Amino acid sequence: GQNIDQPTEMTATEGAIVQINCTYQTSGFNGLFWYQQHAGEAPTFLSYNVLDGLEEKGRFSSFLSRSKGYSYLLLKELQMKDSASYLCAPKGDDKIIFGKGTRLHILP
Amino acid sequence: GAGVSQTPSNKVTEKGKYVELRCDPISGHTALYWYRQSLGQGPEFLIYFQGTGAADDSGLPNDRFFAVRPEGSVSTLKIQRTERGDSAVYLCASSLSGGVGDTQYFGPGTRLTVL
Repeated sequence: GQNIDQPTEMTATEGAIVQINCTYQTSGFNGLFWYQQHAGEAPTFLSYNVLDGLEEKGRFSSFLSRSKGYSYLLLKELQMKDSASYLCAPKGDDKIIFGKGTRLHILP
Repeated sequence: GAGVSQTPSNKVTEKGKYVELRCDPISGHTALYWYRQSLGQGPEFLIYFQGTGAADDSGLPNDRFFAVRPEGSVSTLKIQRTERGDSAVYLCASSLSGGVGDTQYFGPGTRLTVL
């Protein structure tokens, strides 16, 4: 079957670092996406990993371990505008499957 | 256009009515996707078009839901005999070719409320 597991909510402080974990099971695997979604808005693309390892893009980094079915999104130097939901989305044989998302709250 | 657009942004209808939701993808994108998102959930896949044809419609919940893309650009999602459980945000996304690492770009969504 297909399953994606990520924490429902997390809280962090402005300026700090937070890591959002995701474990997944899919039928086939063709990479993993992370999307950011602010309340009432559409998801926007953050990162894509297809090989094991860390991909860094500014304040955001994403890590993938295919053998463990595991990924994380690392956000550094948190800003208030980072308050949003973060969606882990592996691509199986034919389509992307979205997790329920992790709602991240940033405290001043 | 610069991004994916969807109309209407909000639709309120009565149980049993018929609705059409429109998606205008990014120019040149051959792949188009429809998703449904309920509060507190991630987007749920409905249907994927490659050009004019539905390459995968396995996510359509039942035969009340139907989608078309007659000219390979604009797509319409049609819902017959709407039910209260159909209330959700309907998201459309497009990507360049639907290939393995292709990024999907989402539209702002249509919020459907069935009374």
